[in-house]
Amino acid sequence: AQKITQTQPGMFVQEKEAVTLDCTYDTSDQSYGLFWYKQPSSGEMIFLIYQGSYDEQNATEGRYSLNFQKARKSANLVISASQLGDSAMYFCAMRGSSGSARQLTFGSGTQLTVLP
Amino acid sequence: DAEITQSPRHKITETGRQVTLACHQTWNHNNMFWYRQDLGHGLRLIHYSYGVQDTNKGEVSDGYSVSRSNTEDLPLTLESAASSQTSVYFCASSESQGVNEKLFFGSGTQLSVL
Repeated sequence: AQKITQTQPGMFVQEKEAVTLDCTYDTSDQSYGLFWYKQPSSGEMIFLIYQGSYDEQNATEGRYSLNFQKARKSANLVISASQLGDSAMYFCAMRGSSGSARQLTFGSGTQLTVLP
Repeated sequence: DAEITQSPRHKITETGRQVTLACHQTWNHNNMFWYRQDLGHGLRLIHYSYGVQDTNKGEVSDGYSVSRSNTEDLPLTLESAASSQTSVYFCASSESQGVNEKLFFGSGTQLSVL
């Protein structure tokens, strides 16, 4: 079974600084996708960024980038120039390509607080 | 604009009662999912459906059921609510089953079982 691990329950960052949220995964599939979602205090789940296992370049979406290290099975989210509005819960997730692994599996989340 | 809506947003019920949470999407997606969110566990899959008349169990399906009679709706039923089912429930949908396919989420239902 696939597994996502987020070891940082909470993180603090100063406004305008960069922050890295850690995510490691475990899967036996060769083809898989990695996702990051943001959940602000209002509760909705907002898709941020996607990385495919065969993508050679790290994914970027504006201030978000995904530091994908396949050999280490890590998919860390990097937020550059943090803003107060980035304060939220962040979830790493993955989807494999076989059997039950085709369903999106989530990590336990990291609560990010941006300090003024 | 297409969307996915959940109702109610908040629900309080008593142990032993049957409860149904509604999920309606206008994306015309074949794939629909129910997750529950609990502190320390992230989101865990309850049930999912790949199309009309198709339903499948997820990681934490005990005590829950779903039915899919049309493309737009996937109601989640708690047959006999238990306090352990107090949680936030999210419905989601996706266009396909590819590894790159992201989920579109509803706004969630906060369920309290007293």
